[in-house]
Amino acid sequence: GPKVLQIPSHQIIDMGQMVTLNCDPVSNHLYFYWYKQILGQQMEFLVNFYNGKVMEKSKLFKDQFSVERPDGSYFTLKIQPTALEDSAVYFCASRHRVNTEVFFGKGTRLTVV
Amino acid sequence: GDSVTQTEGLVTLTEGLPVMLNCTYQSTYSPFLFWYVQHLNEAPKLLLKSFTDNKRPEHQGFHATLHKSSSSFHLQKSSAQLSDSALYYCALSDRDYGSSGNKLIFGIGTLLSVKP
Repeated sequence: GPKVLQIPSHQIIDMGQMVTLNCDPVSNHLYFYWYKQILGQQMEFLVNFYNGKVMEKSKLFKDQFSVERPDGSYFTLKIQPTALEDSAVYFCASRHRVNTEVFFGKGTRLTVV
Repeated sequence: GDSVTQTEGLVTLTEGLPVMLNCTYQSTYSPFLFWYVQHLNEAPKLLLKSFTDNKRPEHQGFHATLHKSSSSFHLQKSSAQLSDSALYYCALSDRDYGSSGNKLIFGIGTLLSVKP
């Protein structure tokens, strides 16, 4: 079936540095999402993105976070600067349009040290 | 705000026995309910979704019934298989209002371990 690819699967970064998490969504999808899962907790919505704009963001989406999808390529989540509490698994997801199936990637485990 | 509760963190049972994973929710509106399954080293993928006409969704032997009176959407299967071992997430999404994009609100997940 359709796949959302996330690169890399694991990234370790020093606190205060910048990190970019990359997501290759399903090719004809129009809505894109990032979710954050801290170890032992549920997956929580961060942001959704449509037509080049952030549609909705949660309180977890701090000012240090940004998303973009330049020229229809990767959908990226950038954190600058990183903090220890940003350590989590970040899941990317996409869907073709509202009320259709959401497809998830395998996640990127971010460890901030 | 909206929330999903899964009370069991781990369910261990023997192959061939019935499965029931609990899910209850709180929502201001009448939401869609979902079950996602995540096998080891795989992406979460959709297992079931509630229907608006109260039909019972079924997939791979699993089924779930949305009970609005008790705000529940428990996942059931009559006979567990070894390959059912995975992490199961219950989630909800508000009906589409405008262009909010239907974010999903997840429960904490239940790890199902099926033993021979």
